[in-house]
Amino acid sequence: ELKVEQNPLFLSMQEGKNYTIYCNYSTTSDRLYWYRQDPGKSLESLFVLLSNGAVKQEGRLMASLDTKARLSTLHITAAVHDLSATYFCAVDDNFGNEKLTFGTGTRLTIIP
Amino acid sequence: DAGITQSPRHKVTETGTPVTLRCHQTENHRYMYWYRQDPGHGLRLIHYSYGVKDTDKGEVSDGYSVSRSKTEDFLLTLESATSSQTSVYFCAISGGEGDYGYTFGSGTRLTVV
Repeated sequence: ELKVEQNPLFLSMQEGKNYTIYCNYSTTSDRLYWYRQDPGKSLESLFVLLSNGAVKQEGRLMASLDTKARLSTLHITAAVHDLSATYFCAVDDNFGNEKLTFGTGTRLTIIP
Repeated sequence: DAGITQSPRHKVTETGTPVTLRCHQTENHRYMYWYRQDPGHGLRLIHYSYGVKDTDKGEVSDGYSVSRSKTEDFLLTLESATSSQTSVYFCAISGGEGDYGYTFGSGTRLTVV
């Protein structure tokens, strides 16, 4: 059974600082996704990582995937208040049917 | 133009009553999923569908059933609602190519009293 762990679960950081969210998973997979959720809203896709060594960047966010270590990171550079949200990673279980197992999420709060 | 819509957006129901949530897509995607979101648990898969009349269970399927009689609609039924089924329910769709992941609906907030 695929397990996906994120840490930290809660993160409070000051504007302008850098930080990293970690996503570990328990079985082999080469497809990993990052989503963002604002309070009371749905999830929106941030990054799709489809191979070992994949790196994607969008603004102050950068995601990477190491399939050998079964680890993905979401790095935040020079945080701004607008990045406050809950971030989820999700991993394809590779058994077909495109099923994703989600981490528990990281609630990020950016403090001015 | 939303490619996926859920209804209702909010519902309060009594324990023991049946409840049906609807997910409708206009993308002609093969795969459809129902997840529930609860604090501390992230999103957990209830049921999913890989085609018309083709469905399978997820990790938290007890007390739920689904039906997909046409490509665009995926229904989730709580056969006899319990307070433990109070949650936010999300429907998601996927084209099956893996390149884009899921597109989520807006969610249904269900309260069982």
